[in-house]
Amino acid sequence: NAGVTQTPKFQVLKTGQSMTLQCAQDMNHEYMSWYRQDPGMGLRLIHYSVGAGITDQGEVPNGYNVSRSTTEDFPLRLLSAAPSQTSVYFCARRTVLPEQYFGPGTRLTVT
Amino acid sequence: AQSVTQPDIHITVSEGASLELRCNYSYGATPYLFWYVQSPGQGLQLLLKYFSGDTLVQGIKGFEAEFKRSQSSFNLRKPSVHWSDAAEYFCAVALYNNNDMRFGAGTRLTVKP
Repeated sequence: NAGVTQTPKFQVLKTGQSMTLQCAQDMNHEYMSWYRQDPGMGLRLIHYSVGAGITDQGEVPNGYNVSRSTTEDFPLRLLSAAPSQTSVYFCARRTVLPEQYFGPGTRLTVT
Repeated sequence: AQSVTQPDIHITVSEGASLELRCNYSYGATPYLFWYVQSPGQGLQLLLKYFSGDTLVQGIKGFEAEFKRSQSSFNLRKPSVHWSDAAEYFCAVALYNNNDMRFGAGTRLTVKP
């Protein structure tokens, strides 16, 4: 799992519900990111963090919040789930070099 | 605009045949280049990367890729494909110390017996 764990593996939500996708890394890396993967679109960056207490938006941030209170954890919150957020979500870590190392993913379905 | 293009959505090759997956990018500067592989239901595994130097880079599982600056390409190759190579392959680019890694749409590889 490249030193990145994600929970849960699968989740089904109803429209309007909220939830938190968990991500943890054990490599003590400063940089972490959340991506979503949709068919035919590759992966797109949602939010990222360059260290504890520092986060920023990526390409598709709307409808998601993040926080980084520790180096190890980087949870992704869905505030009010919508069917358009049905996707596979990947958390990643990296060093100062740009190569990302991905967790196993969370498959989310919003009905 | 910055973009990564993988022209082939789906490729089928016979086991033992050679493979080439295409990747083109459009960036203001020469980015760092990557190939990832994703087996069904799994995360992405880094196959290889190019930062600088020799334009032919070797990766895991017998894969290699060649960077051609004049063509803005970073094609992935393997001389003899194994059934276990069936997966989806993603080309990705990033700038140094930049968090926004951009991905192509992916190429799904099917391997015929």
